[in-house]
Amino acid sequence: GAVVSQHPSWVICKSGTSVKIECRSLDFQATTMFWYRQFPKQSLMLMATSNEGSKATYEQGVEKDKFLINHASLTLSTLTVTSAHPEDSSFYICSASSLTGGDTEAFFGQGTRLTVV
Amino acid sequence: GQNIDQPTEMTATEGAIVQINCTYQTSGFNGLFWYQQHAGEAPTFLSYNVLDGLEEKGRFSSFLSRSKGYSYLLLKELQMKDSASYLCAAKDSNYQLIWGAGTKLIIKP
Repeated sequence: GAVVSQHPSWVICKSGTSVKIECRSLDFQATTMFWYRQFPKQSLMLMATSNEGSKATYEQGVEKDKFLINHASLTLSTLTVTSAHPEDSSFYICSASSLTGGDTEAFFGQGTRLTVV
Repeated sequence: GQNIDQPTEMTATEGAIVQINCTYQTSGFNGLFWYQQHAGEAPTFLSYNVLDGLEEKGRFSSFLSRSKGYSYLLLKELQMKDSASYLCAAKDSNYQLIWGAGTKLIIKP
């Protein structure tokens, strides 16, 4: 299957700082990327959907000014958690799709464990 | 609203068979997915069903009944490494994945 690389796999940051997470599709062009957040023992929660070259669509309750998503190319999307707080500590996962959702599989990055202290 | 229901936790014995059920209610339907997720890792794809019936892939099989909004994942010849969470997800009319909370499967020797 297709490969999606997410970096970093874990990060610890101080409260009030910003953290950038990268998601790259290595062997296909990802027209759509999805960003999820997963708290312990809970399901994946979709935060936003981004299409290359356009603004991301955020799910209800997700602050677009706090979670900045950039999808400037067909192989790279970034999520920046601005002014992070301890409650933002979570497992963040990206997935990529080569079509606008018609794939029969979602390709996931390895995930990023964010801890805000 | 859209909803996916699956049991929170199941326990099975090594070498046995276990069936994990999933019921879904979505606005439109474009396929049912099963993923395996080990703690602290991203989900890995197991199966995809869009038509009614059973799809077999090695030790894992997945079944779908669209009229009943029902799917199950069948795991045979259980191994200790199968201990994980199993996530059921359905794609709605907008091709958005709606995720279940996951079923934690515990395998005992």
